Amino acid sequence: KAGVTQTPRYLIKTRGQQVTLSCSPISGHRSVSWYQQTPGQGLQFLFEYFSETQRNKGNFPGRFSGRQFSNSRSEMNVSTLELGDSALYLCASSIPGTGDGYTFGSGTRLTVV
Amino acid sequence: AQTVTQSQPEMSVQEAETVTLSCTYDTSESDYYLFWYKQPPSRQMILVIRQEAYKQQNATENRFSVNFQKAAKSFSLKISDSQLGDAAMYFCAYRREGAAGNKLTFGGGTRVLVKP
Repeated sequence: KAGVTQTPRYLIKTRGQQVTLSCSPISGHRSVSWYQQTPGQGLQFLFEYFSETQRNKGNFPGRFSGRQFSNSRSEMNVSTLELGDSALYLCASSIPGTGDGYTFGSGTRLTVV
Repeated sequence: AQTVTQSQPEMSVQEAETVTLSCTYDTSESDYYLFWYKQPPSRQMILVIRQEAYKQQNATENRFSVNFQKAAKSFSLKISDSQLGDAAMYFCAYRREGAAGNKLTFGGGTRVLVKP
């Protein structure tokens, strides 16, 4: 079956702009989580969505937001981009309650100039 | 808050040899999951092996095995018969699942270099 699909793979934006990243989970996976990966901070949890509801949120400013649609696809949005937002954004899907590891997408590399 | 620590930034191993990566974690929970993920240059995180905290038996997946010491909060990964394709970043991760949702907490990663 198809894996987790993230689009776009690469993105270059200017400071102050906003950006929307998309994630399509594995069919049947209703939980979608987002992570930010940077050389300095490592992998940090952004938020998790399940059945269109945000269940968990990491320690990120309000400029970072997300949503999940009825087909479990998820988007995350970053407004008023800062240089420090440059990172690899990873999406992962899972079936809660099974204890299975998350399945990750290939990520979106965001560069803010 | 849970924390995961990987004390080895980089490890080097000769092809066909064995390497062990260290991971310690801090939690007050008794029921949780532990994972090792591999991230090659292609960036995609690939699940290598998982361990359920309530299981005493160490998990094994082909050439990969773990040494899970719950009391010591230690979760090391052993890669046997190392292959060139094993070269990657390896991340140890903790997951506690609950009604408030679940998330992975990652360690800082260990880069594994495989010498031919």
